[in-house]
Formats: sequence, C-alpha cells, structure tokens
Amino acid sequence: EIVLTQSPGTLSLSPGERATLSCRASQSVSINYLAWYQQNPGQAPRLLIYGASSRATGIPDRFSGSVSGTDFTLTISRLEPEDFAVYYCQQYAYSPYTFGQGTKLEIK
Amino acid sequence: QVQLQESGPGLVKPSQTLSLTCTVSGVSIISGDDYWTWIRQHPGKGLEWIGYIYYSGRTNYNPSLKSRITISVDTSKNQFSLKLSSVTAADTAVYYCARGHYPRDWGQGTLVTVSS
Repeated sequence: EIVLTQSPGTLSLSPGERATLSCRASQSVSINYLAWYQQNPGQAPRLLIYGASSRATGIPDRFSGSVSGTDFTLTISRLEPEDFAVYYCQQYAYSPYTFGQGTKLEIK
Repeated sequence: QVQLQESGPGLVKPSQTLSLTCTVSGVSIISGDDYWTWIRQHPGKGLEWIGYIYYSGRTNYNPSLKSRITISVDTSKNQFSLKLSSVTAADTAVYYCARGHYPRDWGQGTLVTVSS
C-alpha cells in the first residue's frame, strides 16, 4: 500500500502568512490522483483539492496544490482565521486508498 | 444539494457486528459514476479508508478489514450499508459515509463505541 507522510506535524503561523504543507508518497501516484482535505474539530473533512492541483467547487483561490515527483504540496497563500485546522492528503490511485497522518495548522 | 446521513447503534458489544446505514438524498445512488464510500476516524486520530461500493454491487475493501467487512447497497431506498463483524475496542471510531473516490460530499459522521 502507498504510505503518505505529511510534514510538518504541526505548523504554527499567523493570519496573513503563507502556509506550505507537504505530503510525500512512498511510491509514484498514478496520474496525480491525490486530494487534500481540511477538517475542523467535530466536523467531517472538506475536500479542497483533487487531481493534485484542481480546486474543488467553492474553494477559495488562496488554496493551491502542486506536485513534483512523489512530493505533493498544499499552499495557502494568505492565511485567514478560518484556515486554522487539520489538513489531510489522500491518494486514490491504488487500493487501498490511504491518507496521510495529517498536519495541524495552528495560530502562532 | 446532496446530503448523506449515517444511522445505526452508537454502542456495540465486543465480538458483535457493527451495522451502519447511509441514506443519500439529493442524488440517485444509481446515477452518474459515483462510488459510495465508508471512511472511519479513530478518536483523535487520522482517517482510514474502509471501502466502497458501486450501485451495481461491485465492491472494493481495505485488505486490513476485508475479512470482516460487508458493504451493500439498496437502490430502492437510496441507501448503502456497512457491516463490520467481530468488533473489538480498536473499532471504536467515528464512521463517515461519503460520495466518491475523493469525496466532496460527506455525512456528518457517527461515533460507534465498542464496549461491553
């Protein structure tokens, strides 16, 4: 199975700053079948990005995804207060689909 | 607007079978090219993909749970279901039903506790 390793585990930033979250796959993810989710406490995850770089409907353009080889990146260009949450990556190229362990984005 | 809602017992005894149903509204479960998915989240932990079903009945399960899982679909009720047998405390989690391989539509989640 593909293991996704997210880093850092926790990221402490201030509103207005830029956030860069990483997700490294243990092997190539075919056709960049990778998604990013945001999860707030007590809520279901919210899809942000699919296909490594396509924004889901209604997601602000400050969220962007990119890929280089097996390294995937979620960038939030300018943090808003509502962006502080936990973020997960997921590969859906190969079964079993797998998630990263998450990155907690907290207010500094 | 697509909505999914999980239902089922919140408490299951060890060795018994956990049974959950997801009721889908706003879209027919047989329309489009959707795969209907179960995902769980252990308390304070990350997400774990359980498996999915297509309306035709085709399934794909996580091998780590495969021997204990059954996912089924009832197109007449626009529902799909999860059964997980021989549960232990390690199966205590919030269970989500969702739509798609990379879900944009999720249920609110339901906490299932395995305890005697």
